[in-house]
Parts: sequence; C-alpha cells; structure tokens
Amino acid sequence: AQSVTQPDIHITVSEGASLELRCNYSYGATPYLFWYVQSPGQGLQLLLKYFSGDTLVQGIKGFEAEFKRSQSSFNLRKPSVHWSDAAEYFCAVREAGTALIFGKGTTLSVSS
Amino acid sequence: SAVISQKPSRDICQRGTSLTIQCQVDSQVTMMFWYRQQPGQSLTLIATANQGSEATYESGFVIDKFPISRPNLTFSTLTVSNMSPEDSSIYLCSVDVYRRGQNEQFFGPGTRLTVL
Repeated sequence: AQSVTQPDIHITVSEGASLELRCNYSYGATPYLFWYVQSPGQGLQLLLKYFSGDTLVQGIKGFEAEFKRSQSSFNLRKPSVHWSDAAEYFCAVREAGTALIFGKGTTLSVSS
Repeated sequence: SAVISQKPSRDICQRGTSLTIQCQVDSQVTMMFWYRQQPGQSLTLIATANQGSEATYESGFVIDKFPISRPNLTFSTLTVSNMSPEDSSIYLCSVDVYRRGQNEQFFGPGTRLTVL
C-alpha cells in the first residue's frame, strides 16, 4: 500500500534562510507526488506536483521539489523563506484512479 | 479546474445526533472522495464515492457511521451519524478531474464540525 512519511513534525527557520522539508514515499511504481500548504484556518493549496519527466519541479510561491527515485524522496525546497510561509505543509502521493494519501504534515515556523 | 462548494461550512452539534454534509461540484466528475482532518492532524481518506456504485470505505471507517450518497455526477453527501466529541473535525470533499493528460484532485473548503 502507498504511504508517505514526513520525518519532521516541526521546523523553525529564520526569515531569509533556505528551507528543505523532507518527504519519503513507499510505492511500487512511479507515483504521482504532491506538496500542499495549509495556513491556519485556511483550505489546502497545491504548491506543486510531479507526474513524470523532469525530476525538478517548480511550483508557486518560489517553491521547488526534486523527485529522487533512488531515495524514494520528494523534498520541498525554497531558497529564501518569508514570514508568510509559516504554515502546515503536507506531502501526498497517489496513483491513477485512487485518492491522495497524505503524510502527517510538517509545521513550519519562521523566526525574525 | 473544478469549483467545489460544501454545506454547511461549519456546525456545532450535540452528542448522539447526525449531520449531513453536502458537496456540490460545478462540473461532472466520476470520482469523489471524502476526507477527515482532526484537530492538528493530517487528512485521512474516509471513502471513495463513484456515481452508480456503493462507496468504498477505508480501514477504520464504516458505512453505518459515515453513510455516503452519490446520486449524480455533481453531488454527494456524507452523513456523520450518532456523533461523539471525537468526531469533531474538518470534513473535506474532493474530486478527481482529468485535464491536460493528467488526473488532478481538487478540494472543497471543508465543513468544520464541533460535537459537544
């Protein structure tokens, strides 16, 4: 069965510093991979997705993620974090014809 | 994309009662999903609801507790039955849309349920 692991429950980053959120998946074939963000009291927003092709995916708000099959990872990165990036980040995986399965999420705090 | 609306947006209910949540989509979709997000937690899939067939429930969720209807390709309901405080969560409707050669999943705004 598919599963997603986000090893970091909570991360604090200084404003302007770089960010990397980790995501590992367990799936037999090539999965479809996603990163979502959820701000307090807000709905889910899709940051980026990977289906196939180029393993480095660009998303909104300056985020990018890299699919590494050998490591079963899809880590999210941002070169310079803004205070408004403080939120909950969810990695998710799916295959065609099935629903998204979410990781437990990583809470990002941004310090000034 | 798909525009999804849910009713009610929030509700406060008494223990032992039931609440039916409605999900309306602005286009016809084959696959619809219902998720639960408990306070401070991630999203957990409750069931998959395809039109014309019985909903498929994930482990830990049963039809008696969470009956689902899918009368047509744009509408679904989820009922939370015999509620207890542990059912306090955000319930989200989601749909699968095929576009540009890819399947994408879109989410409704959610229904915030508090059970007293």
